[in-house]
Amino acid sequence: DTAVSQTPKYLVTQMGNDKSIKCEQNLGHDTMYWYKQDSKKFLKIMFSYNNKELIINETVPNRFSPKSPDKAHLNLHINSLELGDSAVYFCASSQDRAEAFFGQGTRLTVV
Amino acid sequence: SQQGEEDPQALSIQEGENATMNCSYKTSINNLQWYRQNSGRGLVHLILIRSNEREKHSGRLRVTLDTSKKSSSLLITASRAADTASYFCATDVQGAQKLVFGQGTRLTINP
Repeated sequence: DTAVSQTPKYLVTQMGNDKSIKCEQNLGHDTMYWYKQDSKKFLKIMFSYNNKELIINETVPNRFSPKSPDKAHLNLHINSLELGDSAVYFCASSQDRAEAFFGQGTRLTVV
Repeated sequence: SQQGEEDPQALSIQEGENATMNCSYKTSINNLQWYRQNSGRGLVHLILIRSNEREKHSGRLRVTLDTSKKSSSLLITASRAADTASYFCATDVQGAQKLVFGQGTRLTINP
């Protein structure tokens, strides 16, 4: 059983489109995150949710809108995609400040 | 920026040698964690050291933490080709529900 699963694994889309990435965790964790990893492998936190509530929004453009229907899911919707949005997006979850479990990543390519 | 720094950025050694990676950070932390990322994959948690701990071992891994210097090191002993990966430190920042990652060290183990 995959602990943190995100779909799709690859996403190629044109500029200006709207796309969503889904994430689910079956670990019973209270906290979920979205991270962006750029071409230089730099990992930057975008959002943090705790029990479906937004805790952190790290000055991410409002074209990015996370949604947490329940504490096991944290989806990421991106409007009006730009070339600079191309990156690998990772979902992760954790509990009580312990280790984080990461999904396999979604490689987004905007053309 | 709260971003940590790791050095070296890249390290290449012979199989069987020890590999040491260093991490520095800027804020007060609850704990510091090390992760491994194989090419094209998600991050995998290796070890967590709490702010009141100074050293921790797990198999061939040894982690030290010096909170007065805001630094940590990861030692991998008797390296193997399978240890080839990028290694990231991450700080659980006090007062914030997030993990802040360093830039990573790309480790190559030559057979």
